Amino acid sequence: EVQLVESGGALVQPGGSLRLSCAASGFSFSIYWMNWVRQTPGKGLEWVANIRQDGGEKYYVNSVRGRFTISRDNANNSLFLQMNSLRVDDTAVYYCVPGSAFDYWGRGTLVSVSA
Amino acid sequence: DVVLTQSPLSLPVTLGQPASLSCRSSQSLVTGNGNTYLSWFQQRPGQSPRRLIYNVSKRDSGVPDRFSGSGSGTDFTLKISRVEAEDVGVYYCMQGTHWPQTFGQGTKVEIK
Repeated sequence: EVQLVESGGALVQPGGSLRLSCAASGFSFSIYWMNWVRQTPGKGLEWVANIRQDGGEKYYVNSVRGRFTISRDNANNSLFLQMNSLRVDDTAVYYCVPGSAFDYWGRGTLVSVSA
Repeated sequence: DVVLTQSPLSLPVTLGQPASLSCRSSQSLVTGNGNTYLSWFQQRPGQSPRRLIYNVSKRDSGVPDRFSGSGSGTDFTLKISRVEAEDVGVYYCMQGTHWPQTFGQGTKVEIK
């Protein structure tokens, strides 16, 4: 059974940093591109970033490029999102999603950015 | 980026009656090799999104056959033949043809 468990979400002040983690199991993590997708009440679902199987290619939505860094640890089936210079509009539930099919989702982790 | 516009935003439906949800794309979603990467997701209250339909009309495993997807080019539809109480939630379309993948704003299905 595919399981995706996101963690690391918290309440943080604008300008702060957070590191999200995703523990994956039940599938061959190392052969999939991996994505972070976020959901806000105002903007709905938004793809944030993805990373190639070997970590050699990474892509970001314009609004987070230069502030967020996606990475992975294939030995431990883990995905990460380092979030710096956080803004109020980064407030969202963050999901890790494997592949391009978007057929498996975790429960997500809540990031709240507020003074 | 490709903009997906869903309508209506809210859809009150009587139990047992059909429902039709629309998703319109700002660009054609047909790839050079003829595939169309348009998916539909259901998000029940308090839950994560769940994919129902992919490639316009293919139902995911375990999805009841009262759900069907259709459409082509820029115009797509999700139909529920007879709405049940468990179908309450928000439905999103998503395109994977053009980078970056984008989602519609959602249609909220509720029971009258």
